[in-house]
Formats: sequence, C-alpha cells, structure tokens
Amino acid sequence: NAGVTQTPKFQVLKTGQSMTLQCAQDMNHNSMYWYRQDPGMGLRLIYYSASEGTTDKGEVPNGYNVSRLNKREFSLRLESAAPSQTSVYFCASSFFNSPLHFGNGTRLTVT
Amino acid sequence: ILNVEQSPQSLHVQEGDSTNFTCSFPSSNFYALHWYRWETAKSPEALFVMTLNGDEKKKGRISATLNTKEGYSYLYIKGSQPEDSATYLCAHSGNTPLVFGKGTRLSVIA
Repeated sequence: NAGVTQTPKFQVLKTGQSMTLQCAQDMNHNSMYWYRQDPGMGLRLIYYSASEGTTDKGEVPNGYNVSRLNKREFSLRLESAAPSQTSVYFCASSFFNSPLHFGNGTRLTVT
Repeated sequence: ILNVEQSPQSLHVQEGDSTNFTCSFPSSNFYALHWYRWETAKSPEALFVMTLNGDEKKKGRISATLNTKEGYSYLYIKGSQPEDSATYLCAHSGNTPLVFGKGTRLSVIA
C-alpha cells in the first residue's frame, strides 16, 4: 500500500525553467492538496482539489498551476521558476475532514 | 486565511518530564482541529482529529483536549521520551481547508 507518492524527491532548477511535481494516491481520497514548507513559516497551502474536476487557490498560489488529472493524481506546475520558490513541497490527500496523508516531500532549489 | 497560533515555538525537556503545548484558533466557523507529529526528514503524521467542544483524545502517552468556544486545544505528553522529539503541528478547518500553525519543536534530552 503506497499511500501518497510524490516525484521527484529532489530537483534543482535555474531561474525561468519550468517543471511539474507529480503526486498520486491510492487510498481513493476525494481531496488532494499541495503545501510548501519554509523555515519559520510552517506548512502553507498552495492549491487544493476538494474533488475530482475541481481546484481552488490556497494561501500562496502565485507562480503555480495545478491539474487534477483524475481521482488519483494531482500535479503542481511551476511555469517559470523563481528563487523564492525554493522550498520543500508536500502533497497530501484525505477524505473530507479526515486526517491528511502526506507524501515524502520534494526538495526544490531554484538558483 | 485565519491564523492558527502555537506556543511555545520550541521546548526542551528532560526524559520523564510531562509537557504540554497550546494551539489557538478562531472560534467562529469551527469544523475540526487536527494534531500532527512531524519528525525530522519525514512527513507529518496525524495524531488526532477533534470536532466537538470538550473532545478529549488519547493515544498512548499523548492526549489532547479541545475548547471550541474559546478557540484553543492542548496537547499533553506524559513522561516524555527521546523518541517524542519532533515538531507538533496543529491545524484548523472552518469553512476553508486546513490552516496549519507553525508548530512546536520538542526536544527530549535523555
């Protein structure tokens, strides 16, 4: 039982490059989330998808786009990476108002 | 986005000490309060989800209480052990997705 799988685990980008972070869950959860974690800032919500076919902005959506490809998969895209997007990114999933299950995180560095 | 505040930011205790942390959240539009444990180099793992005023939850030496009317929750650890060293996060949901506090970093010294 894999739970929530995120890829890649590490990535280094140059300013202006693009990339997509992939997330898949095998728990049949309705809701999926992307958070970023920065020192002293805790976990901040970037985007979420309450159910298949819907996406909504969170606290810090600027510079990101998301796609809920199907019930299992929720990807996060950086179209033009900036140094301010250097962070650790976590994908999570849940049934509505149940505990979140987190992936192992992606450490992204933008130079 | 509604603020969730946690205190203290960090805590150092001796093995065997009992300790507690506070999570404060807006008391209006309350739906649920979550507690997570986050060990270094791992992902956050859920401890408790509480929804009712007066809720008390317990898992081994860890317990939590909830007061939705005044907007706070306490997490207690009885007889701290070195393996309890982690960051403890609380998160609140009202009519928005979960909003996390910045966490309390606990270090238990053997």
